[in-house]
Amino acid sequence: EVQLVESGGGLVQPGGSLRLSCAASGFTVSNNYMSWVRQAPGKGLEWVSIIYSSGETHYGDSVKGRFTISRDSSKNTLYLQMTSLRAEDTAVYYCARDVMETNTYDYWGQGTLVTVSS
Amino acid sequence: DIQMTQSPSSLSASVGDTVTVTCRASQGISIYLAWFQQKPGKAPKSLIYAASSLHSGVPSKFSGSGSGTDFTLTISSLQPEDFATYYCQQYVNYPVTFGQGTRLEIK
Repeated sequence: EVQLVESGGGLVQPGGSLRLSCAASGFTVSNNYMSWVRQAPGKGLEWVSIIYSSGETHYGDSVKGRFTISRDSSKNTLYLQMTSLRAEDTAVYYCARDVMETNTYDYWGQGTLVTVSS
Repeated sequence: DIQMTQSPSSLSASVGDTVTVTCRASQGISIYLAWFQQKPGKAPKSLIYAASSLHSGVPSKFSGSGSGTDFTLTISSLQPEDFATYYCQQYVNYPVTFGQGTRLEIK
């Protein structure tokens, strides 16, 4: 059974950093495209980043240069390192597995809340 | 960036009804269109990809159609568990973008 479990969210001050984790089971993270999608409180979905099975990465304009997606094959875990955090980064962050190397998703994690506030 | 516009933004319907949600792309996206269902406080659930292909385990009451710029999600025989917010997504190029959502409420 495919499962994705995010962790690492919390309250952080503006300008601070946080690393989110997404532990996967039932499949191999490094063999799949994996994405992060976020949702600000009461708002819609916003794509954040993707990492290909090749290791190639892409980012949304709002996070480019501040966020880094990565993975650890030994832990079968996806990460999102977030730096220079802003109030507008406040959101629930979801990790998701991509469908057959497309840029859409079949499985989602339950999400982890990041709150950026002083 | 490709803009995705859903209509209506909200919709009231009764149990047993059939409803249709529309999603329009600001430029042609072939069939690179997905639909998601989200209930309050929960993660999105994937329903449809490639405009009309159902994900495993999704009941056939959900159907999708369209290509190019105009797409529809149809839900037949509405049940209480179908009342949720629905999002479309284009994934033909970066940035991947979502519609603003359609909230389906019980009448």
